[in-house]
Amino acid sequence: DAKTTQPPSMDCAEGRAANLPCNHSTISGNEYVYWYRQIHSQGPQYIIHGLKNNETNEMASLIITEDRKSSTLILPHATLRDTAVYYCIVRVGSNTDKLIFGTGTRLQVFP
Amino acid sequence: DADVTQTPRNRITKTGKRIMLECSQTKGHDRMYWYRQDPGLGLRLIYYSFDVKDINKGEISDGYSVSRQAQAKFSLSLESAIPNQTALYFCATSDRASLYGYTFGSGTRLTVV
Repeated sequence: DAKTTQPPSMDCAEGRAANLPCNHSTISGNEYVYWYRQIHSQGPQYIIHGLKNNETNEMASLIITEDRKSSTLILPHATLRDTAVYYCIVRVGSNTDKLIFGTGTRLQVFP
Repeated sequence: DADVTQTPRNRITKTGKRIMLECSQTKGHDRMYWYRQDPGLGLRLIYYSFDVKDINKGEISDGYSVSRQAQAKFSLSLESAIPNQTALYFCATSDRASLYGYTFGSGTRLTVV
C-alpha cells in the first residue's frame, strides 16, 4: 500500500473549518484514500473514504486532487470534541485489504 | 452492547506469564484484526484473519499467537510476556466488501512488569 505523509500537529479554533492535508504521491489507481480518527486512547473511528471524486458525509468532506497525489479532510465546523489524532490511509479495497496506520495528525481544537 | 468487545480492559501481568486477550463481535463480519499501539505512535498490525480457517501474520507478529475460535471470536495470546509488549491493544473487524471501514473495539491496556 502507498505511503502517506501528514503534518504531525495542527490547531483550529472552535467553529472554524479544520483542513487536514495528506500527501500520497505514490498512490496507485486502485487505491482508496481513507480517514480515521482516534480520540484520546479510544479505538479509531472511521470518518470517510474516496477513490477519485470528492466525498461528503455527516462528519466531514474529503477533497482529492485530480492527480490523486494528495487529499484534504475538511471538518466544516470544528468543535472541541473533534480534538483527536487523524489518520490518512491509502489501501486497495479488495480481498487483500489491511489497514496500515502512520502516525497521523494531532488536531487540537481550542475555544 | 458494543459491536466489538475486548476483554479485559486493563491488565497488569508479570514478565514470563502467559496472557490472553479476547475479542468478540456482533457485527457478523468475517474479518478480524489485532493491532497494538505504543505511546505517541500509530497502530501496528499484529495478526489478521479473513475467516475462521485463515490466519495471517501482520507487521509485528513475533511473540504473539492468535486463535480464531469462531467467526465472532478472535483471541490474542502472549505466550511469555515481556515488558516491551506493554501497549494498548485493539481488535477490529471488517466485512468482505471492506469498503466501509473497520470497526474497532475500545482497547485493552496491557502492562508487563
